Amino acid sequence: GAVVSQHPSWVICKSGTSVKIECRSLDFQATTMFWYRQFPKQSLMLMATSNEGSKATYEQGVEKDKFLINHASLTLSTLTVTSAHPEDSSFYICSARSPGGAGGDTQYFGPGTRLTVL
Amino acid sequence: QQQVKQSPQSLIVQKGGISIKNCAYENTAFDYFPWYQQFPGKGPALLIAIRPDVSEKKEGRFTISFNKSAKQFSLHIMDSQPGDSATYFCAASKGSGYSTLTFGKGTMLLVSP
Repeated sequence: GAVVSQHPSWVICKSGTSVKIECRSLDFQATTMFWYRQFPKQSLMLMATSNEGSKATYEQGVEKDKFLINHASLTLSTLTVTSAHPEDSSFYICSARSPGGAGGDTQYFGPGTRLTVL
Repeated sequence: QQQVKQSPQSLIVQKGGISIKNCAYENTAFDYFPWYQQFPGKGPALLIAIRPDVSEKKEGRFTISFNKSAKQFSLHIMDSQPGDSATYFCAASKGSGYSTLTFGKGTMLLVSP
């Protein structure tokens, strides 16, 4: 099956600093990637949809200036949490749509990045 | 407004038993219904998915049943094993291309030895 990686797997940072999370599709090209955040024992909440070569589309309530998304290539999307605060501590998960997936809607998820802001 | 409602919130079954998780959706435009399995600290993994043109799909011990008129779909796990203990999320999306997934709130499954 399609493989999506994330780096780093976990990060601890001080309040006010910025953190960059990378999401890579390893064995396929993904024109569309998605970023989610998940709080403990809760479901995945879509933050934004990232399309290669264009600006990301953010969900309502997600600050685009705080969560910067770049999708510079067909295999890499990055999420930068700027001026992180403790309330940004969460599990961030990316997914990539595989064009060869079932009906074109198959999303493959990365392993997630645990962000802790002190 | 929650577009995909999932139940139960948690479930305990004995090893070898059958576990059933249910989801109900509201948007009749949804036409793709996957189930994901997530272990603690890991990303979700696609288990099985179905489209509305079939009422049932089976892959190994996993079966999706789909009821279009009732706008419901369910995941059955046969011969449940302790390694199946995880959180299961149903989801739905509409159309192909750039559609996004709407997730249910998840069912935490515990399979007792």
